[in-house]
Amino acid sequence: AQTVTQSQPEMSVQEAETVTLSCTYDTSESDYYLFWYKQPPSRQMILVIRQEAYKQQNATENRFSVNFQKAAKSFSLKISDSQLGDAAMYFCAYRSAVVWGSQGNLIFGKGTKLSVKP
Amino acid sequence: DAGVIQSPRHEVTEMGQEVTLRCKPISGHDYLFWYRQTMMRGLELLIYFNNNVPIDDSGMPEDRFSAKMPNASFSTLKIQPSEPRDSAVYFCASWNGQTMNTEAFFGQGTRLTVV
Repeated sequence: AQTVTQSQPEMSVQEAETVTLSCTYDTSESDYYLFWYKQPPSRQMILVIRQEAYKQQNATENRFSVNFQKAAKSFSLKISDSQLGDAAMYFCAYRSAVVWGSQGNLIFGKGTKLSVKP
Repeated sequence: DAGVIQSPRHEVTEMGQEVTLRCKPISGHDYLFWYRQTMMRGLELLIYFNNNVPIDDSGMPEDRFSAKMPNASFSTLKIQPSEPRDSAVYFCASWNGQTMNTEAFFGQGTRLTVV
């Protein structure tokens, strides 16, 4: 079974600085998708960025980028020029690319709470 | 589309009562997921449906929990009888499985408190 581990329960960053959130996963599959979701105090789960495992190029969305290391099974999220609105819980998630049986769901890490200091 | 719609947003009930949570997925999405979020256990998958058929319910904690999807636009999660340890935020999410590289969309969740 696949697992996702976020080893940093809490992180803090100064406004305008850069922060990196860590995520590792365990799988025997070669094709899969990885996601970072943001959950602000409103509870809404919002997609931040996605990565297809077959793509070597790291995904980027404005101030958000990932460092995807497939061999190391690592998928970290970098937030540049941090803003107060980035304060939230961040969840790393895995989904198999083979959607049969019980493989259609997202498997989540426990989350990292990010605080942004003004 | 209005996104995934869950109701109610908050529910407070007494132990032993029946609770029903509701979800309307995004039109055209063929997968629907129910997750439970607690501080201790994080986000756990309870059950998911594909084309209204339950595919994996191994995450349902016990027989007190049941879920149905009578049609493509509606699903319910029922707890009967409810217990204080069921207090959590319950999320519904939907996904278009025809486009593998897309994300699942979540509703705003139902915060359940059982007293």
